[in-house]
Amino acid sequence: QQQVKQSPQSLIVQKGGISIINCAYENTAFDYFPWYQQFPGKGPALLIAIRPDVSEKKEGRFTISFNKSAKQFSLHIMDSQPGDSATYFCAASLPGAGSYQLTFGKGTKLSVIP
Amino acid sequence: EAQVTQNPRYLITVTGKKLTVTCSQNMNHEYMSWYRQDPGLGLRQIYYSMNVEVTDKGDVPEGYKVSRKEKRNFPLILESPSPNQTSLYFCASSARWTSGSNEQFFGPGTRLTVL
Repeated sequence: QQQVKQSPQSLIVQKGGISIINCAYENTAFDYFPWYQQFPGKGPALLIAIRPDVSEKKEGRFTISFNKSAKQFSLHIMDSQPGDSATYFCAASLPGAGSYQLTFGKGTKLSVIP
Repeated sequence: EAQVTQNPRYLITVTGKKLTVTCSQNMNHEYMSWYRQDPGLGLRQIYYSMNVEVTDKGDVPEGYKVSRKEKRNFPLILESPSPNQTSLYFCASSARWTSGSNEQFFGPGTRLTVL
């Protein structure tokens, strides 16, 4: 049973455009929602994260939007650049001791073309 | 430099030949974990460890073993590798959970091919 569903599987965006990746979760007990960025040949690295007590979090060109009632969250990359080309994973975890256990989406391969 | 290291980075082996992939972190993290990454399946957790001598199964533990005898090391053991274990493997570590962050730090990956 996949607890975090991510879409789209791949995304091509023009330089300067907005990239949007969506995730939906099933377990309402999740209380931490990070996004990880992975460049080819590298391990994933934390990009940005949000907790359900806020609806939006912004760090530079990257924004997470969170909709608790719909059980959905999304990553928006504004002014997308070729250097943003990577695979992006959304994830979710439970509170307390369960916070170590990240359930990942299947990933989105983003290509930003000049 | 704070980091998670894995060795080897690339490995080609044959069915049934026991192998170990090492993982070490220098951040004094309590939590360590192993994932495998396969196309279209994302990252799936194999085993994790909350601290020394404390390990537990993740989502896909079959065919793997782990041990945590020291805080910094968390080796992944394949006693009898099979071709379906051909994959990209990542080790990760995390500090004790706080209310502010639960960041996991990933190693560079080990690409394993089992013939």
